[in-house]
Amino acid sequence: KAGVTQTPRYLIKTRGQQVTLSCSPISGHRSVSWYQQTPGQGLQFLFEYFSETQRNKGNFPGRFSGRQFSNSRSEMNVSTLELGDSALYLCASSPGGLLGTDTQYFGPGTRLTVL
Amino acid sequence: DAKTTQPTSMDCAEGRAANLPCNHSTISGNEYVYWYRQIHSQGPQYIIHGLKNNETNEMASLIITEDRKSSTLILPHATLRDTAVYYCIVRVGNRDDKIIFGKGTRLHILP
Repeated sequence: KAGVTQTPRYLIKTRGQQVTLSCSPISGHRSVSWYQQTPGQGLQFLFEYFSETQRNKGNFPGRFSGRQFSNSRSEMNVSTLELGDSALYLCASSPGGLLGTDTQYFGPGTRLTVL
Repeated sequence: DAKTTQPTSMDCAEGRAANLPCNHSTISGNEYVYWYRQIHSQGPQYIIHGLKNNETNEMASLIITEDRKSSTLILPHATLRDTAVYYCIVRVGNRDDKIIFGKGTRLHILP
């Protein structure tokens, strides 16, 4: 099975711009979560989508948003970019099952640099 | 906040077993212990998880104490490629539960 894929892998933007990142989950997985990783704050949870609905949300400003499509692919958008948004953005997918544990598998990430 | 405590860093000689400890004294009865690792600038890689019993897979073994307040991840024969940050996480594990990462343990494998 192919793993989680994220595009693009690297991105450079300037302050004030907006950016859209894409994530394709493992085939059959219905849950997609997004995380931000910075040297100062570590890995932080952004939000999680299941069946096109946001189920969980972390403590990030409204400039960070996401969506999920009917094929489970997900996008996250950051508007009005700030220097502090420079980070590795990670996507994780999981089956989203009801029983037992629901293990998340991570993609390689998108490295965003804001100048 | 993360519910686990791990040493900041550890060294292990190549070829030896690497034993990474984790304390989770406030773990609830329905929470699992998960381990991930992250090699520099890559996405975290799932290693193993367990509830009460010890677990083993092709990558590692997980030993959970009887009171479930601590656990140890064992890499049986460490190689240089095992150099990474290892995260111990406790979570209910169902689909409504997000992962909260702590700072992890930076494992250095010494040649």
